[in-house]
Amino acid sequence: DAGVIQSPRHEVTEMGQEVTLRCKPISGHDYLFWYRQTMMRGLELLIYFNNNVPIDDSGMPEDRFSAKMPNASFSTLKIQPSEPRDSAVYFCASSFGGEGKYEQYFGPGTRLTVT
Amino acid sequence: AQSVTQPDIHITVSEGASLELRCNYSYGATPYLFWYVQSPGQGLQLLLKYFSGDTLVQGIKGFEAEFKRSQSSFNLRKPSVHWSDAAEYFCAVGEVSMYSGGGADGLTFGKGTHLIIQP
Repeated sequence: DAGVIQSPRHEVTEMGQEVTLRCKPISGHDYLFWYRQTMMRGLELLIYFNNNVPIDDSGMPEDRFSAKMPNASFSTLKIQPSEPRDSAVYFCASSFGGEGKYEQYFGPGTRLTVT
Repeated sequence: AQSVTQPDIHITVSEGASLELRCNYSYGATPYLFWYVQSPGQGLQLLLKYFSGDTLVQGIKGFEAEFKRSQSSFNLRKPSVHWSDAAEYFCAVGEVSMYSGGGADGLTFGKGTHLIIQP
């Protein structure tokens, strides 16, 4: 299996621009998670989906952030407008919700720099 | 709310020496516990997990961890470290989702322990 795929790997944008991060989960996984990693706050859960439905978005920092999962093999995290404080590494992870299988598999991350 | 504490920000160990990384969690019921490793510029790789049963769990790369309910701890150990073990190590706790599917909610991570290996 190819694992969780994220694109782009690096994104540099100017403040005020729209940024879209993409994720393809592992085939057959029915949970998808978006995390953000910063030096100050560490790894934080932003939102997660089950069977393409958002379950918990309480970690989304503000209305500038939105996430969608139009089908089982694709999800996006959008920031509009972007701000310098959004600079971070954004990870996507997926898991299979069957009994006893709760481990999450992470993608390589997208390093976002907002100038 | 669940929380995870990794009290050691940095640990330096000589190559070939034993290793123990500490992790304490705060959670009401029996948690699901994980250790992940992150090399520079890379994603997180799962080392091992505890869900139930035997409190000593074995993982990849020669790592093991022991769940101690009385101490709310899940410490990671390795009998002999290699230079390639230098990385950031994260302990994480999860729980079964209340909302859907029987799968796990998102994980709560500790701040990580940076492992340095001395030659």
